[in-house]
Amino acid sequence: QKEVEQDPGPLSVPEGAIVSLNCTYSNSAFQYFMWYRQYSRKGPELLMYTYSSGNKEDGRFTAQVDKSSKYISLFIRDSQPSDSATYLCVMSESNYQLIWGAGTKLIIKP
Amino acid sequence: DARVTQTPRDKVTEMGQEVTMRCQPILGHNTVFWYRQTMMQGLELLAYFRNRAPLDDSGMPKDRFSAEMPDATLATLKIQPSEPRDSAVYFCASGASGEGTQYFGPGTRLLVL
Repeated sequence: QKEVEQDPGPLSVPEGAIVSLNCTYSNSAFQYFMWYRQYSRKGPELLMYTYSSGNKEDGRFTAQVDKSSKYISLFIRDSQPSDSATYLCVMSESNYQLIWGAGTKLIIKP
Repeated sequence: DARVTQTPRDKVTEMGQEVTMRCQPILGHNTVFWYRQTMMQGLELLAYFRNRAPLDDSGMPKDRFSAEMPDATLATLKIQPSEPRDSAVYFCASGASGEGTQYFGPGTRLLVL
């Protein structure tokens, strides 16, 4: 079993829909939780960063961490075609040893 | 607009040839990471430097790969000899020590024939 499980998709939704992306993990020592977005032929870019449990909101994006269930989510409201990308969940015990999910390919249809 | 730069962006070479990839981290960042990304394996950490010293290269095949930081503005990843299974996108990332975030370069797309 992988330390971080993420459905690779693709996930296809119509423009304007609410998108929910999720990851589960097995290591209870993880305390840093991140979401990166990667466009085709580009490097990953940090989208959201959360320490420990709780919610974090940034514009149309909301990240949730539930440490009791070992489950993290990323919600995208009012999805746009420009949100089409691969979203990678990332977790860490420390500040450098990042454990990456496989990435979920998201397609927003105009 | 500070960003990580990588050269070359694309590289096609023949099996057995030496490949050198270069990375310029963001000025002021003291941690540098080399990753490899493939469809099958996703993102794999190859090496990690802090203050130019290698702290973790356990993910790197030692017999053919080597990573160095000759100075604070340059990190290199070398493959010698290259093999077809090395074909992948190689990313460099940098960060500030104590922060969990890493900033990625555009990657070097390597194809070994």
